[in-house]
Amino acid sequence: QQQVKQSPQSLIVQKGGISIINCAYENTAFDYFPWYQQFPGKGPALLIAIRPDVSEKKEGRFTISFNKSAKQFSLHIMDSQPGDSATYFCAASMWGGSEKLVFGKGTKLTVNP
Amino acid sequence: EAGVTQSPTHLIKTRGQQATLRCSPISGHTSVYWYQQALGLGLQFLLWYDEGEERNRGNFPPRFSGRQFPNYSSELNVNALELEDSALYLCASRSDRGDEQFFGPGTRLTVL
Repeated sequence: QQQVKQSPQSLIVQKGGISIINCAYENTAFDYFPWYQQFPGKGPALLIAIRPDVSEKKEGRFTISFNKSAKQFSLHIMDSQPGDSATYFCAASMWGGSEKLVFGKGTKLTVNP
Repeated sequence: EAGVTQSPTHLIKTRGQQATLRCSPISGHTSVYWYQQALGLGLQFLLWYDEGEERNRGNFPPRFSGRQFPNYSSELNVNALELEDSALYLCASRSDRGDEQFFGPGTRLTVL
């Protein structure tokens, strides 16, 4: 019940296209859902996060969509660029972000020029 | 504002030895989290320290331990190293006024 399932495992998108990564969870006690971006050899960097009282949050080209009833959330990257090529992790936590983060397995995104 | 820093960047040990990894949180952050990122296993929660106390630990054996110092920096100790301990060890910090956990660059531990 602590798992977060992430798909797809890998994703190839053309420059200018939309990248979509999906995550699903079981534990209804989760109340904080961040997305992290990780480049090879670096630590994960926080991209954007959402709480269940909001169905969508947008920051620049990155949008989180949240479906509380389906226990699913997704990351949309609009106008994908080669510089977006990285591994993306969704995560979930209880008690805001104060508890441990439970991560999905990651999606390796490649944006072709 | 300086981010989370970790040292050393790389650490090579042999089986049975002990490893000590260090983390300095963002100034003003009181919580420190440790995660293990092993190949094929994703990011796994190890330990959470807040105000010098261990608040939670993940599903790891007791040979993984740590502490948080009065200046909120933290140390992760791994005793009796095993080959499967080879991984990137990540530290994250969080302010008591926010939700976000900010990660450091990690320490790459290799056990030979």
